[in-house]
Amino acid sequence: QQQVKQSPQSLIVQKGGISIINCAYENTAFDYFPWYQQFPGKGPALLIAIRPDVSEKKEGRFTISFNKSAKQFSLHIMDSQPGDSATYFCAASMNSNYQLIWGAGTKLIIKP
Amino acid sequence: GAVVSQHPSWVICKSGTSVKIECRSLDFQATTMFWYRQFPKQSLMLMATSNEGSKATYEQGVEKDKFLINHASLTLSTLTVTSAHPEDSSFYICSAYLALETQYFGPGTRLLVL
Repeated sequence: QQQVKQSPQSLIVQKGGISIINCAYENTAFDYFPWYQQFPGKGPALLIAIRPDVSEKKEGRFTISFNKSAKQFSLHIMDSQPGDSATYFCAASMNSNYQLIWGAGTKLIIKP
Repeated sequence: GAVVSQHPSWVICKSGTSVKIECRSLDFQATTMFWYRQFPKQSLMLMATSNEGSKATYEQGVEKDKFLINHASLTLSTLTVTSAHPEDSSFYICSAYLALETQYFGPGTRLLVL
């Protein structure tokens, strides 16, 4: 019940396309859902995060869609660029507890 | 944004020696810091939670005598890998929790034990 399932494991998108990464969770006590971007040899960097009181959050080309009833959330990257090529992790935490439950990660490759 | 640094960024050591990794929150105070380990192409694995002024809480399966954690101040936590062996070679990442926000991560430390 503590798991966060992330898919796909890897994704190849053409430059300018839309990249979509999905995550699903079981524990309804989760109340914070961040996405992290990690480049090789670097630590993860917070990209965007959402709380369950909204269904969508947009920051620039990055959008989180959140479906509370389905217990799913997804990251959309619009107009994907080669510089977006990285590994993306979704995560979840509960009751503002700082401990994060991590998805397995998605390696995104944007083809020029 | 909140910045977390780690030092060193990479280290090579001989088997049997000890290695210390520092994690600092540069522009905020962090009552809680976390230490993760990451294997190639895998997700982050939480090793321990470190609270300032108290003993660290280790995750199941993590040897506390091998991975010594000290959180002496609100801006500094250290991880010491004692008597390191080749199987301890990994990418170690720390994070600092900014209250009511989220964890901010350091750039990681690559450890290679020969």
